[in-house]
Amino acid sequence: EAGVAQSPRYKIIEKRQSVAFWCNPISGHATLYWYQQILGQGPKLLIQFQNNGVVDDSQLPKDRFSAERLKGVDSTLKIQPAKLEDSAVYLCASSYVTGTLGVYEQYFGPGTRLTVT
Amino acid sequence: AQTVTQSQPEMSVQEAETVTLSCTYDTSESDYYLFWYKQPPSRQMILVIRQEAYKQQNATENRFSVNFQKAAKSFSLKISDSQLGDAAMYFCAYREETSGSRLTFGEGTQLTVNP
Repeated sequence: EAGVAQSPRYKIIEKRQSVAFWCNPISGHATLYWYQQILGQGPKLLIQFQNNGVVDDSQLPKDRFSAERLKGVDSTLKIQPAKLEDSAVYLCASSYVTGTLGVYEQYFGPGTRLTVT
Repeated sequence: AQTVTQSQPEMSVQEAETVTLSCTYDTSESDYYLFWYKQPPSRQMILVIRQEAYKQQNATENRFSVNFQKAAKSFSLKISDSQLGDAAMYFCAYREETSGSRLTFGEGTQLTVNP
């Protein structure tokens, strides 16, 4: 089966510009995650969707970051305006379902490397 | 809040030898899951092995095994017969059972395999 797709793979922008990332999860996966991975650190969850509803966005900087998953499939993550500290790899992951019914593995995409200059 | 600590920023091993990566975590929960992920330079996060906290038996996957010490909140990864393709960043991760499926990651250990 096809894996999690992300685009673009690389993006360079100047501070105060806006940028958007796209993620297409594995077919049938209801749960979608966006993680931010700053160089030298482990990934940190930004937002989690269950179908098209937000489950957890407690660590999303809402003054500049937004995300949507309108039809419960693809998702976009936007940053506006970007700051230097937003330079990171943005990872998208999906899983079949979330909750307490068992361990459902999260499958990760290749990520988008963002450089803000 | 749950935290995951990997105290070894870098490790190296000779090809065909065995190496152990360390991980400790802090939680007040009794039911949870622990994972080791591998991230090669391609940035693709790949699940290596997982452990359910309620299971006393340590998980194994071919050359990869864990030493899970629940009381000590320790979860180390042993890689036997190391291969050049094992070179990557390794992340330990924690997931609660009862509060959704957020993964909390450690800082990572960069593993180098020397020929």
